[in-house]
Parts: sequence; C-alpha cells; structure tokens
Amino acid sequence: RKEVEQDPGPFNVPEGATVAFNCTYSNSASQSFFWYRQDCRKEPKLLMSAYSSGNEDGRFTAQLNRASQYISLLIRDSKLSDSATYLCVVIPNTGFQKLVFGTGTRLLVSP
Amino acid sequence: EPEVTQTPSHQVTQMGQEVILRCVPISNHLYFYWYRQILGQKVEFLVSFYNNEISEKSEIFDDQFSVERPDGSNFTLKIRSTKLEDSAMYFCASSDRGGRDEQFFGPGTRLTVL
Repeated sequence: RKEVEQDPGPFNVPEGATVAFNCTYSNSASQSFFWYRQDCRKEPKLLMSAYSSGNEDGRFTAQLNRASQYISLLIRDSKLSDSATYLCVVIPNTGFQKLVFGTGTRLLVSP
Repeated sequence: EPEVTQTPSHQVTQMGQEVILRCVPISNHLYFYWYRQILGQKVEFLVSFYNNEISEKSEIFDDQFSVERPDGSNFTLKIRSTKLEDSAMYFCASSDRGGRDEQFFGPGTRLTVL
C-alpha cells in the first residue's frame, strides 16, 4: 500500500464551483499533514496544514480524520488561478524531517 | 522575501559523468533537504542535513550520492556517476527549526542524463 494515496484527477470545474480532494495515508502514527500546491514544472509550495479541528484559510479548508487516516481539502468559489496540482503531504513518525508526498491531484478551473 | 535559490536551472550530462547541483538555502535556516521528482511522478525525499551531517536519508540516496555544505551559504548534491534513471527535477529545501517547521523549496534543477 502506498504511504500517501490521492486520486490523480484531473478535476475539471467551472469558475465559482466548490471542489474537494481527498487523500489517505497508511502510517497511523504519522505526525503532521499538509496540502502543498505545485504549478507545472515548478517547486511545491505549502498551501496549509490539516488538523483534526479543521483549518480554514479564506476559500480553502483542510481537514484531518485520524481515525480514517484521511485528509481532505475543500476549495470554495474556484478561481482560474487555482488551476494546479495539489499535493497531499505527510510527515511520518519514522523521521521528523522528511516530507512524504502523494502523487498529486490535478485541478483545472475553466471560465 | 527570502528564498531558496538553485543553480543551474538545467543540467545536461552524459551517463557516467559526475554532476554537482548547487543550492543556497535561506540564510538563517539550519535544516537542509534534497528531494527529486521524476517527470510525471511524485516528489521523493532524498536526504536531510543538519549541523554538518546527514540526519536522515532514503533508499534512493545510495553511495553514488553525497551532500556537502562547503561554506556558510551553499548546500550541494553530488551524483558521482550518473545513470539514465537519475534524470529528474532536483529540489533543494530548507527550514528554520526542522521537525514540522515549513520547508521552503527552491525552483529546482532539471537534470537530464543522456
């Protein structure tokens, strides 16, 4: 089983739509959970952390469900500029420093 | 805003040659990392470096790879004898305090091995 699994998409949505991405992780003792954004051929950039209590930042909400080992990202009122690949990232308990990435979910927002 | 820089942006080399990829981390950061991303695949951890030594490395980071912080600003990744399968984007990252602290990524070096 992969450490971090994501639906690769692409998700094609119109501007203004709400879209949700999901991710599962295999190591129940994982420490920290993030969503990163990666534009084509660019470096990953931290979008936000995911917590059990939820984390909302403007149009973006990240949620962690430890019992189900599941992380979600909700984007409301999608913009054209949201088009990118969204990477689910976990810090496993085996090391406090390495980031373990999922393969990413591609989002395409159209006018 | 401080940023991680990497040189060169693109490196083309022949199989069996040595390459050195260079990174300048954010100046007050103490933890340094290398990741790679083969085209169309996920980002993979290679190595982390703190206090002038490797703190963690992946299975990918075999004897062909080495890292060094030769001075107070640069952080390098050396591949001793490149293979075709080393072709990838290599990202350097740095963080202030390690652990769960945000890792800031450089723009990457695209390595092409012919």
